[in-house]
Parts: sequence; C-alpha cells; structure tokens
Amino acid sequence: GAVVSQHPSRVICKSGTSVKIECRSLDFQATTMFWYRQFPKQSLMLMATSNEGSKATYEQGVEKDKFLINHASLTLSTLTVTSAHPEDSSFYICSARDPTGTGVAGELFFGEGSRLTVL
Amino acid sequence: SQKIEQNSEALNIQEGKTATLTCNYTNYSPAYLQWYRQDPGRGPVFLLLIRENEKEKRKERLKVTFDTTLKQSLFHITASQPADSATYLCALDALGGGFKTIFGAGTRLFVKA
Repeated sequence: GAVVSQHPSRVICKSGTSVKIECRSLDFQATTMFWYRQFPKQSLMLMATSNEGSKATYEQGVEKDKFLINHASLTLSTLTVTSAHPEDSSFYICSARDPTGTGVAGELFFGEGSRLTVL
Repeated sequence: SQKIEQNSEALNIQEGKTATLTCNYTNYSPAYLQWYRQDPGRGPVFLLLIRENEKEKRKERLKVTFDTTLKQSLFHITASQPADSATYLCALDALGGGFKTIFGAGTRLFVKA
C-alpha cells in the first residue's frame, strides 16, 4: 500500500520557538493531505486540509497564523507550529489518499505521527 | 453537528473469543464508514470500509456491519489474539464533503492470553 512518512517523530522545544513537521507521500502523489491532532485517549481532530499549490483549508477553531501549512509539491506538506506554547504539546499526524492506487476509495494512509512537547 | 460515539471503556477479552466493538453516529447519513487500528504512539492503519448500501463486510478474522437505520456499526474480531490488542477507531466521511474524514475517540481492546 501507499506510504506516508512523517518527520520528526519526536520533538522537544522551548516555549516561544517554532517547530516544523514534514509529511511526505513516498510512492504516490497527493494533491491533498490532512493534518490531525490527537490528545491522549481522545479522537483525532482534523486541523486542516492541505492543498497543493493553494492555501490550506482550516477547520473551525484552528488558528491559521498559529499552525502554518505549506503544500509546496505533490509529495510534501509541512506543518509549522509557530510560537509554540505548552498547550500545543500533542501528537500531530498527517494523512493522504492514494488516488491512483488499488486501495479502497476513501482509505487514508497515515504518517507515523510527531510527538511535540513544548517546555 | 456530526457526532461519533465509541465506548470509551476498554474492552478486555480472553484469547480465542470474539471481540465486538460498537460505533454510533448522529446527525448524519454517511456514504461510508471505516475502521482503523491504532497502536500507542503510532498513526492509524486502515482495516475496513463499508458503504451505506452494504450490510456486512468481511476481511479474514474481521467483520463489520452497518445499520443505517440504527446509525450504528459493529466491528467484530473473531478468534482474537493478544496481537489484536490496540485501539480501534471508527471513522466517517465528514458532512459537507471535501473528502474529509472524522474519527471517533476509539475503543481500547485488550486480549489476554
């Protein structure tokens, strides 16, 4: 099946700094990628839809200036958490669909996730 | 707004038994419903998708049912094994389209040897 790779898997940063998380589709092209956030024992919350070559679409309540999303190519989307604070500490996961693969329509392929800890 | 409910309590079963997990949803009629497996600290992995016009879908030891009248899906793992221990997430295509998918909080399954 399609592979989505996410980096870094873990990152610790100081409050006030910015952190960039990369999401790559390794063997397919993804015009759309989805960024989720997950707190312990809670569901994945969709943050935004990343669109190649255009602006991301953010879900209600997600700060655009706080969570910068760039989808510069068909295989790479990045999420930058700007001026991070301890409450931004969470598990961030990206996903994409493989439109050309033999997988089931609607199936999402997820990255390994990135654990962000803001001190 | 859409709401997906999964039993938040962990399910503990003995190896070899059938595990049954429940997913209920409200305020929406999804075109399809999906089930994913998530291990601690990892991203979810797709298991099965069932469409609104399908009553049941099987894959090896897994079986999913979809009752659009009750707005409920049941996820079964037969002949469960300790390796099946994980969190299982129910997911729906989001209201409003855009190919977005929303997830339930998941049910943690523990299979004892």
